[in-house]
Amino acid sequence: AQRVTQPEKLLSVFKGAPVELKCNYSYSGSPELFWYVQYSRQRLQLLLRHISRESIKGFTADLNKGETSFHLKKPFAQEEDSAMYYCALSSGNTGKLIFGQGTTLQVKP
Amino acid sequence: EPEVTQTPSHQVTQMGQEVILRCVPISNHLYFYWYRQILGQKVEFLVSFYNNEISEKSEIFDDQFSVERPDGSNFTLKIRSTKLEDSAMYFCASNRGQYPEAFFGQGTRLTVV
Repeated sequence: AQRVTQPEKLLSVFKGAPVELKCNYSYSGSPELFWYVQYSRQRLQLLLRHISRESIKGFTADLNKGETSFHLKKPFAQEEDSAMYYCALSSGNTGKLIFGQGTTLQVKP
Repeated sequence: EPEVTQTPSHQVTQMGQEVILRCVPISNHLYFYWYRQILGQKVEFLVSFYNNEISEKSEIFDDQFSVERPDGSNFTLKIRSTKLEDSAMYFCASNRGQYPEAFFGQGTRLTVV
């Protein structure tokens, strides 16, 4: 079964602390994985995808096929990073996304 | 920057009534999607639409649901006879192809009373 799991509903850190948002997936083929972010009162938007291997707003994510993980990391959290983060997997040839439950990141001053 | 637009932002309807949720995808996009998010739950795929037909649908997308692209710009989701459990945030999304990033609308909150 295709599934994305984000084990933490809420992650609360202080400004300047490192952040790691966990994501594990279950997929039988070669997955394409994404992180989407939703800031307060804004729409879902793409943060990054594994295939591009880029860093956006200081965030990186590495696909680990052995551990079936795609954790999102940032070395120094900022208050403006507070948002809901969704890990998602692109499944099949229609481009549909399978989402995890989401993790709320709260960065305290 | 082009955006996916959804209307209305909030709709309240009585159980058993028909509702139509509207979306205007980004103009050069080819793939269109509807997702929903029941309060406190994950975002769930409903349906994908390509080349004027449904390309994939989930188990949730039963006979009560239908989609249409009536005029080449709007993309609508119709729920024929709403149930209380249809209350959710409904998101429209579009993308240029199968794998590039999906752009999401701001969502329509549907409340069935």
